[in-house]
Amino acid sequence: AQSVTQLGSHVSVSEGALVLLRCNYSSSVPPYLFWYVQYPNQGLQLLLKYTTGATLVKGINGFEAEFKKSETSFHLTKPSAHMSDAAEYFCAVMDSNYQLIWGAGTKLIIKP
Amino acid sequence: DVKVTQSSRYLVKRTGEKVFLECVQDMDHENMFWYRQDPGLGLRLIYFSYDVKMKEKGDIPEGYSVSREKKERFSLILESASTNQTSMYLCASSFRSGGRSLSYEQYFGPGTRLTVT
Repeated sequence: AQSVTQLGSHVSVSEGALVLLRCNYSSSVPPYLFWYVQYPNQGLQLLLKYTTGATLVKGINGFEAEFKKSETSFHLTKPSAHMSDAAEYFCAVMDSNYQLIWGAGTKLIIKP
Repeated sequence: DVKVTQSSRYLVKRTGEKVFLECVQDMDHENMFWYRQDPGLGLRLIYFSYDVKMKEKGDIPEGYSVSREKKERFSLILESASTNQTSMYLCASSFRSGGRSLSYEQYFGPGTRLTVT
């Protein structure tokens, strides 16, 4: 069965610093992978996704993620954090029934 | 733009009340989902539906039921609300198998924060 592990329930970075949010997955089929963002008191919004093709995927708001099959990872990065990036981030993998298996989420805290 | 709407952003109900949460999507998606979100537990699937009048239990269906009479509308019902059902409820929709555009992602509504006292 597929599963998703997000390392760190909270990650704190300074404004302007690199953001790195980690996601590892297990999947018995070629994975389709997703990152979503949730701002306070809102629903989830798609940041980016990997289905096929280029393993480095660019998303909205300057975020990108790289699919590394050998490491079963799909880590999310942004070169320079902004205060508006403070939110909760969820990684997900699609299962064979086209449903999403979710990680527990990582809260990103931006220090001024 | 895909739009998923939920009937209420905030709801306060008393223990034992019957509660209806409504969700409507305008993208002709086959799949619709109800999740519950609690701090530290991520998203947990309550029920999903892949077609009108069809429903499947998710990971935590106990204490909930659902109804899908029309393709665009998916309702979550708490037959007798209890305090442990105080939570954020999120509705989502997606194409069944990606649709013509092979779009597999789920689209979410803004959520309903339910408090049961």
